[in-house]
Amino acid sequence: QQQVKQSPQSLIVQKGGISIINCAYENTAFDYFPWYQQFPGKGPALLIAIRPDVSEKKEGRFTISFNKSAKQFSLHIMDSQPGDSATYFCAASKSTNAGKSTFGDGTTLTVKP
Amino acid sequence: EAEVAQSPRYKITEKSQAVAFWCDPISGHATLYWYRQILGQGPELLVQFQDESVVDDSQLPKDRFSAERLKGVDSTLKIQPAELGDSAMYLCASSLRTSGRGQFFGPGTRLTVL
Repeated sequence: QQQVKQSPQSLIVQKGGISIINCAYENTAFDYFPWYQQFPGKGPALLIAIRPDVSEKKEGRFTISFNKSAKQFSLHIMDSQPGDSATYFCAASKSTNAGKSTFGDGTTLTVKP
Repeated sequence: EAEVAQSPRYKITEKSQAVAFWCDPISGHATLYWYRQILGQGPELLVQFQDESVVDDSQLPKDRFSAERLKGVDSTLKIQPAELGDSAMYLCASSLRTSGRGQFFGPGTRLTVL
């Protein structure tokens, strides 16, 4: 049973546009929600993470929005750039054991120049 | 910038053969993880070490997979015998905190079993 559902599977955005990726989780015990960026041939790299005590977290062009009641969270990439083209994974875990995160299946983002 | 090192980067083997992957975490990181990432999916934790001790290996197929971190620094993941379904990317990660937050991933080893 998949506990983290991610959508869309792929996304094409024009340069300068907003990229939005959504995730939904099931386990209410989860309290740590990171997003990872993965380029081909590389391991995932932590991009930004949020705890459920806040509804939004922003770091540069990347923003996580969190809806605890709906058990959903999303990644917004503002002013998307071709260099943002990568696969993005959401994940969820207990904050005391983030190494045992449940990952979504990933979203392949392509930003067209 | 410190990085997690993994080798080999690519491995092709025939089914029933033995394979081994090596990982060197970032210096000072006591917590080390091995993940398996099947194409088109997110990583799945196989085993977690704290220093030289296994903390969690509940998802490790112990009939064919083994992992060790003898001196609490680098680690080896072994598969014997390899099966077709083992074809995947094997990722190593390390973290300073035992909670795992802020973990850094290595580039992975791409395994193809023929």
